[in-house]
Amino acid sequence: DVKVTQSSRYLVKRTGEKVFLECVQDMDHENMFWYRQDPGLGLRLIYFSYDVKMKEKGDIPEGYSVSREKKERFSLILESASTNQTSMYLCASSLPSGSYEQYFGPGTRLTVT
Amino acid sequence: GENVEQHPSTLSVQEGDSAVIKCTYSDSASNYFPWYKQELGKRPQLIIDIRSNVGEKKDQRIAVTLNKTAKHFSLHITETQPEDSAVYFCAASRDTGGFKTIFGAGTRLFVKA
Repeated sequence: DVKVTQSSRYLVKRTGEKVFLECVQDMDHENMFWYRQDPGLGLRLIYFSYDVKMKEKGDIPEGYSVSREKKERFSLILESASTNQTSMYLCASSLPSGSYEQYFGPGTRLTVT
Repeated sequence: GENVEQHPSTLSVQEGDSAVIKCTYSDSASNYFPWYKQELGKRPQLIIDIRSNVGEKKDQRIAVTLNKTAKHFSLHITETQPEDSAVYFCAASRDTGGFKTIFGAGTRLFVKA
């Protein structure tokens, strides 16, 4: 059974802080993704990674960076948190290529005040 | 850029009725079309998917149809039950030239008992 875990369910940070969101999967998946979920906007891709140390920008990468030093772990970094980054963040993983099911983590609800 | 349009944004049906959600995609190279269900407070989970070499797929009360010429696909739920109440996301992706999956904005389905 695939398990994708995220470091926090709820997080409150102040404007300007550096924020780290961590995601770990236990199925040896090559692909990992970070999405942002906002009401009425669906799931928007921030970054994805198809291999260790490899990353690709998604649709909304501005203000974010990522790190993938190990296959099972994919980190999302908010360099200087802003209030418009208040959102639900979902991590996902999948087998290689785009034609496989994505397995999602439980999400981190981030509030930036 | 590529996008997926999903309609309606909200759908309310009586228990036992059918529900239909429609999506249109723009990237003609898309060849994988998954549907995810997200119950309140939970992570999205795949409920059915279809690949471009198939026009229709059925799994018990759920079916998906694909019209590649028109670039649209639909989710059909028959004999709806209260536990079908959730947000449903359609998505489109391709397995070459990048692994980006584009999600629709979601449909909130209410099934009234």
